[in-house]
Amino acid sequence: DQQVKQNSPSLSVQEGRISILNCDYTNSMFDYFLWYKKYPAEGPTFLISISSIKDKNEDGRFTVFLNKSAKHLSLHIVPSQPGDSAVYFCAATPGGTGNQFYFGTGTSLTVIP
Amino acid sequence: ETGVTQTPRHLVMGMTNKKSLKCEQHLGHNAMYWYKQSAKKPLELMFVYNFKEQTENNSVPSRFSPECPNSSHLFLHLHTLQPEDSALYLCASSQASGSETQYFGPGTRLLVL
Repeated sequence: DQQVKQNSPSLSVQEGRISILNCDYTNSMFDYFLWYKKYPAEGPTFLISISSIKDKNEDGRFTVFLNKSAKHLSLHIVPSQPGDSAVYFCAATPGGTGNQFYFGTGTSLTVIP
Repeated sequence: ETGVTQTPRHLVMGMTNKKSLKCEQHLGHNAMYWYKQSAKKPLELMFVYNFKEQTENNSVPSRFSPECPNSSHLFLHLHTLQPEDSALYLCASSQASGSETQYFGPGTRLLVL
Protein backbone atom coordinates (compact mmCIF):
# COMPACT_ATOMS: atom_id res chain seq x y z
CA ASP A 1 0.00 0.00 0.00
CA GLN A 2 1.49 3.31 -1.10
CA GLN A 3 1.98 5.70 1.78
CA VAL A 4 2.94 8.65 -0.41
CA LYS A 5 0.89 9.43 -3.49
CA GLN A 6 1.29 11.83 -6.35
CA ASN A 7 -1.95 11.56 -8.27
CA SER A 8 -0.96 13.71 -11.23
CA PRO A 9 1.55 11.91 -13.44
CA SER A 10 2.11 15.02 -15.55
CA LEU A 11 1.62 18.78 -15.56
CA SER A 12 2.17 21.44 -18.24
CA VAL A 13 2.59 25.10 -17.37
CA GLN A 14 3.39 28.20 -19.37
CA GLU A 15 6.74 29.87 -18.67
CA GLY A 16 6.40 32.61 -16.05
CA ARG A 17 3.29 31.10 -14.50
CA ILE A 18 3.03 29.18 -11.23
CA SER A 19 3.52 25.41 -11.14
CA ILE A 20 1.78 23.57 -8.31
CA LEU A 21 2.69 19.96 -7.66
CA ASN A 22 0.70 17.99 -5.12
CA CYS A 23 1.43 15.09 -2.83
CA ASP A 24 -0.73 13.20 -0.33
CA TYR A 25 0.34 10.84 2.41
CA THR A 26 -1.40 8.40 4.70
CA ASN A 27 0.99 7.86 7.60
CA SER A 28 0.45 10.34 10.42
CA MET A 29 3.87 9.40 11.83
CA PHE A 30 5.67 11.14 8.95
CA ASP A 31 7.38 14.22 10.27
CA TYR A 32 9.82 15.25 7.56
CA PHE A 33 9.01 15.79 3.90
CA LEU A 34 11.18 16.41 0.89
CA TRP A 35 10.90 17.21 -2.78
CA TYR A 36 13.37 15.84 -5.29
CA LYS A 37 13.82 16.79 -8.92
CA LYS A 38 14.99 14.31 -11.53
CA TYR A 39 16.24 14.94 -15.05
CA PRO A 40 16.45 12.05 -17.54
CA ALA A 41 19.57 9.90 -17.12
CA GLU A 42 20.34 11.50 -13.75
CA GLY A 43 19.57 10.55 -10.16
CA PRO A 44 17.07 12.57 -8.10
CA THR A 45 18.50 15.77 -6.65
CA PHE A 46 17.28 17.29 -3.43
CA LEU A 47 15.22 20.43 -3.91
CA ILE A 48 13.53 21.51 -0.69
CA SER A 49 12.27 20.03 2.55
CA ILE A 50 9.91 20.81 5.40
CA SER A 51 9.57 19.60 8.94
CA SER A 52 6.17 18.81 10.39
CA ILE A 53 6.54 21.66 12.89
CA LYS A 54 6.23 24.12 10.01
CA ASP A 55 3.55 24.71 7.43
CA LYS A 56 5.65 26.56 4.88
CA ASN A 57 9.25 26.64 3.73
CA GLU A 58 10.52 28.91 1.02
CA ASP A 59 13.74 28.82 -0.99
CA GLY A 60 13.92 31.26 -3.86
CA ARG A 61 11.33 30.35 -6.47
CA PHE A 62 10.37 27.17 -4.61
CA THR A 63 7.92 27.00 -1.71
CA VAL A 64 6.65 23.88 -0.02
CA PHE A 65 3.37 23.97 1.92
CA LEU A 66 2.37 21.35 4.45
CA ASN A 67 -1.20 20.76 5.62
CA LYS A 68 -0.94 18.15 8.35
CA SER A 69 -4.64 17.85 9.00
CA ALA A 70 -5.23 17.03 5.34
CA LYS A 71 -2.01 15.00 5.08
CA HIS A 72 -1.15 17.00 2.02
CA LEU A 73 1.87 18.88 0.79
CA SER A 74 2.46 20.92 -2.29
CA LEU A 75 5.38 22.44 -4.13
CA HIS A 76 4.94 25.84 -5.73
CA ILE A 77 7.37 27.06 -8.36
CA VAL A 78 7.01 30.68 -9.35
CA PRO A 79 7.84 31.90 -11.87
CA SER A 80 8.23 28.62 -13.75
CA GLN A 81 11.15 28.36 -16.15
CA PRO A 82 11.82 25.89 -19.00
CA GLY A 83 14.77 24.50 -17.00
CA ASP A 84 12.30 23.41 -14.35
CA SER A 85 10.99 20.74 -16.73
CA ALA A 86 11.74 17.47 -14.92
CA VAL A 87 10.10 14.76 -12.85
CA TYR A 88 9.38 15.83 -9.27
CA PHE A 89 9.17 13.28 -6.46
CA CYS A 90 7.87 13.92 -3.00
CA ALA A 91 9.19 11.83 -0.13
CA ALA A 92 8.36 11.43 3.53
CA THR A 93 9.98 9.85 6.55
CA PRO A 94 8.95 9.15 10.13
CA GLY A 95 12.29 10.58 11.21
CA GLY A 96 13.82 9.62 14.51
CA THR A 97 16.56 7.06 14.11
CA GLY A 98 15.02 5.35 11.12
CA ASN A 99 16.19 5.79 7.56
CA GLN A 100 13.01 4.76 5.80
CA PHE A 101 12.04 7.29 3.15
CA TYR A 102 8.81 6.73 1.25
CA PHE A 103 8.57 8.14 -2.25
CA GLY A 104 5.70 9.04 -4.53
CA THR A 105 5.59 7.94 -8.17
CA GLY A 106 6.56 11.38 -9.44
CA THR A 107 4.96 14.16 -11.50
CA SER A 108 6.48 15.10 -14.82
CA LEU A 109 6.47 18.88 -15.18
CA THR A 110 6.79 20.52 -18.58
CA VAL A 111 7.28 24.28 -18.69
CA ILE A 112 6.35 25.61 -22.10
CA PRO A 113 8.42 28.57 -23.33
CA GLU B 1 34.92 13.26 -8.34
CA THR B 2 32.20 14.77 -6.21
CA GLY B 3 28.84 13.60 -4.93
CA VAL B 4 27.63 10.06 -5.47
CA THR B 5 28.86 8.05 -8.43
CA GLN B 6 27.59 4.74 -9.76
CA THR B 7 29.06 2.28 -12.22
CA PRO B 8 28.15 0.94 -14.64
CA ARG B 9 25.51 3.33 -15.89
CA HIS B 10 23.90 0.66 -18.06
CA LEU B 11 24.01 -3.12 -17.73
CA VAL B 12 22.47 -5.92 -19.74
CA MET B 13 22.73 -9.39 -18.28
CA GLY B 14 21.31 -12.85 -18.76
CA MET B 15 19.46 -14.68 -16.02
CA THR B 16 22.45 -16.94 -15.31
CA ASN B 17 25.03 -14.15 -15.12
CA LYS B 18 26.67 -12.69 -12.02
CA LYS B 19 27.37 -8.99 -11.99
CA SER B 20 27.99 -6.24 -9.45
CA LEU B 21 26.87 -2.64 -9.21
CA LYS B 22 29.20 -0.18 -7.55
CA CYS B 23 28.44 3.03 -5.69
CA GLU B 24 30.90 5.51 -4.25
CA GLN B 25 30.16 8.65 -2.28
CA HIS B 26 32.60 11.53 -1.84
CA LEU B 27 30.51 13.45 0.69
CA GLY B 28 31.88 12.07 3.93
CA HIS B 29 28.53 10.48 4.73
CA ASN B 30 28.03 7.50 7.01
CA ALA B 31 24.81 6.03 5.66
CA MET B 32 24.30 4.48 2.22
CA TYR B 33 21.25 3.07 0.51
CA TRP B 34 20.15 1.00 -2.46
CA TYR B 35 16.82 1.82 -4.12
CA LYS B 36 15.02 0.20 -7.02
CA GLN B 37 12.88 2.25 -9.38
CA SER B 38 10.59 0.36 -11.74
CA ALA B 39 8.45 2.05 -14.37
CA LYS B 40 5.41 3.85 -12.94
CA LYS B 41 6.25 2.76 -9.40
CA PRO B 42 7.72 4.73 -6.51
CA LEU B 43 11.31 4.30 -5.45
CA GLU B 44 11.58 1.17 -3.34
CA LEU B 45 14.14 1.07 -0.57
CA MET B 46 16.15 -2.15 -0.72
CA PHE B 47 19.00 -1.88 1.78
CA VAL B 48 20.40 0.60 4.30
CA TYR B 49 23.89 0.68 5.76
CA ASN B 50 24.91 2.85 8.69
CA PHE B 51 28.61 2.99 9.49
CA LYS B 52 29.14 -0.12 7.30
CA GLU B 53 26.50 -2.12 9.18
CA GLN B 54 23.32 -3.21 7.43
CA THR B 55 20.36 -1.77 9.31
CA GLU B 56 17.56 -2.37 6.85
CA ASN B 57 16.66 -5.12 4.41
CA ASN B 58 13.23 -4.55 2.92
CA SER B 59 12.41 -8.19 2.18
CA VAL B 60 14.71 -8.17 -0.80
CA PRO B 61 15.21 -11.56 -2.55
CA SER B 62 18.54 -13.22 -1.86
CA ARG B 63 19.54 -12.93 -5.53
CA PHE B 64 20.45 -9.35 -4.52
CA SER B 65 23.39 -9.28 -2.14
CA PRO B 66 24.74 -5.96 -0.81
CA GLU B 67 28.24 -5.33 0.45
CA CYS B 68 29.58 -2.26 2.25
CA PRO B 69 33.34 -2.55 2.81
CA ASN B 70 33.61 1.02 4.13
CA SER B 71 31.46 4.13 4.55
CA SER B 72 32.33 5.39 1.07
CA HIS B 73 31.63 2.30 -1.01
CA LEU B 74 28.56 0.18 -1.53
CA PHE B 75 28.11 -2.77 -3.86
CA LEU B 76 25.09 -4.70 -5.03
CA HIS B 77 25.96 -8.19 -6.20
CA LEU B 78 23.49 -9.71 -8.63
CA HIS B 79 23.04 -13.38 -9.52
CA THR B 80 20.34 -15.46 -11.21
CA LEU B 81 18.14 -12.41 -11.71
CA GLN B 82 14.71 -12.47 -13.33
CA PRO B 83 13.43 -10.26 -16.16
CA GLU B 84 11.16 -8.46 -13.67
CA ASP B 85 14.32 -7.26 -11.88
CA SER B 86 14.97 -4.94 -14.82
CA ALA B 87 14.84 -1.44 -13.38
CA LEU B 88 16.85 1.62 -12.46
CA TYR B 89 18.97 0.96 -9.37
CA LEU B 90 19.81 4.07 -7.41
CA CYS B 91 22.38 4.50 -4.70
CA ALA B 92 22.07 7.28 -2.14
CA SER B 93 23.96 8.51 0.90
CA SER B 94 23.24 10.70 3.90
CA GLN B 95 25.17 11.99 6.85
CA ALA B 96 23.85 9.37 9.26
CA SER B 97 20.64 7.71 10.33
CA GLY B 98 17.59 9.88 10.86
CA SER B 99 15.91 12.44 8.67
CA GLU B 100 18.97 13.75 6.92
CA THR B 101 18.52 14.49 3.27
CA GLN B 102 19.67 11.70 1.00
CA TYR B 103 21.83 12.44 -2.01
CA PHE B 104 21.45 10.20 -5.02
CA GLY B 105 23.77 8.85 -7.66
CA PRO B 106 22.78 8.79 -11.35
CA GLY B 107 21.65 5.18 -11.19
CA THR B 108 22.39 2.00 -13.10
CA ARG B 109 19.85 1.04 -15.75
CA LEU B 110 19.65 -2.77 -15.59
CA LEU B 111 18.08 -4.99 -18.21
CA VAL B 112 17.75 -8.70 -17.49
CA LEU B 113 17.16 -10.88 -20.53
